[in-house]
Amino acid sequence: QVHLAQSGAEVKKPGASVKVSCKASGYIFTTYGISWVRQAPGQGLEWMGWISGYNGNTNYAQKFQDRVIMTIDTSTNTAYMEVRSLRSDETAIYYCARSGPSEDYGDTFDYWGQGTLVTVSS
Amino acid sequence: DIQMTQSPSSLSASAGDRVIITCRASQNIRTYLNWYQQRPGKAPSLLISDASTLQNGVPSRFTGSGSGTDFTLTISNLQPEDLATYYCQQSYNTASTFGRGTRLQIK
Repeated sequence: QVHLAQSGAEVKKPGASVKVSCKASGYIFTTYGISWVRQAPGQGLEWMGWISGYNGNTNYAQKFQDRVIMTIDTSTNTAYMEVRSLRSDETAIYYCARSGPSEDYGDTFDYWGQGTLVTVSS
Repeated sequence: DIQMTQSPSSLSASAGDRVIITCRASQNIRTYLNWYQQRPGKAPSLLISDASTLQNGVPSRFTGSGSGTDFTLTISNLQPEDLATYYCQQSYNTASTFGRGTRLQIK
């Protein structure tokens, strides 16, 4: 069965970076993409970007293009998302979700990780 | 970006009731519309894809309909476990956007 296991909670100071991992199992990693979605406390869902599990091509939401880097490691079926220059209003749960394989089409998020709480506080 | 507007933002209903949640897109998205359920403290899960395709394991009490700009999620015979926030999401283009959610409470 498909499973996405994310890394544990993080506490960071404003201006720091955080790197969250998402280890996939139960499917062929290279035939799907991984998207990242965040949710601030009590708020809705915000798509951050997508990465191909095949070749690492990325598609970032415009507001995150300068501060987010998504990568993959096909040897371990793991996707990573690094967010730089964190702000205090970016405290949120960060989710990975399995997505389509192509950057040319919109995505349906059919399986989700359990989420990683990133707290940004001085 | 395509804006997704959900209504109502919250509602309360009794077990056995039927509820309808609506989602409107700011432009024609054909049937590229998905619905997600997020139970308290949990990750979202996909309920319905492509406006009306029920995912495996989702009870048939959930139905989706619509095309173009206007979509609905109908939950019939409401059950206590339907307590959740429901989100629509457009998959028409590569910049995915979600509605702001509808919080469903069970009386």
